[in-house]
Amino acid sequence: AQTVTQSQPEMSVQEAETVTLSCTYDTSESDYYLFWYKQPPSRQMILVIRQEAYKQQNATENRFSVNFQKAAKSFSLKISDSQLGDAAMYFCAYRLSSGSARQLTFGSGTQLTVLP
Amino acid sequence: DGGITQSPKYLFRKEGQNVTLSCEQNLNHDAMYWYRQDPGQGLRLIYYSQIVNDFQKGDIAEGYSVSREKKESFPLTVTSAQKNPTAFYLCASSVWTATPTFGSGTRLTVV
Repeated sequence: AQTVTQSQPEMSVQEAETVTLSCTYDTSESDYYLFWYKQPPSRQMILVIRQEAYKQQNATENRFSVNFQKAAKSFSLKISDSQLGDAAMYFCAYRLSSGSARQLTFGSGTQLTVLP
Repeated sequence: DGGITQSPKYLFRKEGQNVTLSCEQNLNHDAMYWYRQDPGQGLRLIYYSQIVNDFQKGDIAEGYSVSREKKESFPLTVTSAQKNPTAFYLCASSVWTATPTFGSGTRLTVV
C-alpha cells in the first residue's frame, strides 16, 4: 500500500520570504502522480501543483515550485515571496497513473502560518 | 458554472440515527469519491465509484454506505454502525485520468 508522510505538522514563514514544505512517499510503482493541495480556513481543497513521475523536470506554478526526487521518494513544495493568503493547511497526495485504484492518498498535512 | 455541490454544509445527528450526505456534480465526471477528514490525520478514503452502479470500499468503509444510481450523484449514508461519525466529509470527482476536484464539504456532528 502506498503511504504519504508529512513530517512537519506546523511551519511558519515571514511575509515575502521563502518556505519549503516536505513530503515523502512510499510506493513500488513507477508511474504515478504527486500533488500539493491547499486547504484554507474555508476548508475548500485547492490544487496547488501537480507532478507526473515520468517527468524529470520539476513542476512550477508562479510562486510555487516542487523539488521532485524520484529515487529518494521525496516531493517538497517551495513557496517563494510568501503572502498572507498562503496561510493554510497544505496536503501532499499521491495517485497511481493507471489501474483500478486511482484514488488519492494523502499525507497528514502541514499547517503554514505567514507572519506579517 | 460547473462544479461539485455538497449539502448540507452542517449536519447534526442523534445517536443511533442514519444520515445521508449529498454530493452532486455537473462536470460530467465518471469517477466520484468520499473522504473523511479528522484533525491531524489528513483525508482518508471512504468509498469511490468509477462508473454508475459500481463502487468500491476505501480504507475506512465500515459504518458507511453509498449508491451510484446516476452519474451526477454519489450520496453517502453514515449509519448507526459508525461509532465515531463526527468529522468533516469531502466529496470529489474526476475524469478517471485527471486530477480530482473537491466540493466544499459537510461538517457532521453527533449530538
